[in-house]
Amino acid sequence: DQQVKQNSPSLSVQEGRISILNCDYTNSMFDYFLWYKKYPAEGPTFLISISSIKDKNEDGRFTVFLNKSAKHLSLHIVPSQPGDSAVYFCAASGGGGSNYKLTFGKGTLLTVNP
Amino acid sequence: NAGVMQNPRHLVRRRGQEARLRCSPVKGHSHVYWYRQLPEEGLKFMVYLQKENIIDESGMPKERFSAEFPKEGPSILRIQQVVRGDSAAYFCASSELPHTDTQYFGPGTRLTVL
Repeated sequence: DQQVKQNSPSLSVQEGRISILNCDYTNSMFDYFLWYKKYPAEGPTFLISISSIKDKNEDGRFTVFLNKSAKHLSLHIVPSQPGDSAVYFCAASGGGGSNYKLTFGKGTLLTVNP
Repeated sequence: NAGVMQNPRHLVRRRGQEARLRCSPVKGHSHVYWYRQLPEEGLKFMVYLQKENIIDESGMPKERFSAEFPKEGPSILRIQQVVRGDSAAYFCASSELPHTDTQYFGPGTRLTVL
């Protein structure tokens, strides 16, 4: 049973445009959400996160939006750059003392074309 | 920049052999987490260890898999009598604080079972 879903396996955008990556979750116990970026042959690197008490968090070109009622979050990258081409993983963690147990989606491959 | 180190990066084993995967956490980190990524899947939590202690092994298969994090030396994930279904990328992460979702990932070990 997949608790974190990224329904788009891939996304292609032009340099300078906005990239929007989507993520849905089913477990209402999740209270913290993270986005990781992964290049081939490397481990995931942390990008940005959001707590369930917020609906938006911004860091430079990256903004994450959280819609708790819809159990949906999205990552916006604007403007997109070729170096942003990577696999993006959405991850979630729950409370109850097990917040170290990250649950990941399958990832979305973003390709930014020059 | 001494991040999380994993070795070997690639490991090939025949069915029935043993696989040993090593993880050296970020210097000063005493918490280690192992995740497995099967083909076309997201990363899945396996086990959380502190020095000399297993804190949570709920994600680890009950048979053939074991993990340790000794007082000295790297953390080891050991898979006995490997089967084809064990072929995956195994990622280690570490943290400075306990029970945290702020984890730093290594580059992974890609295990192929022939």
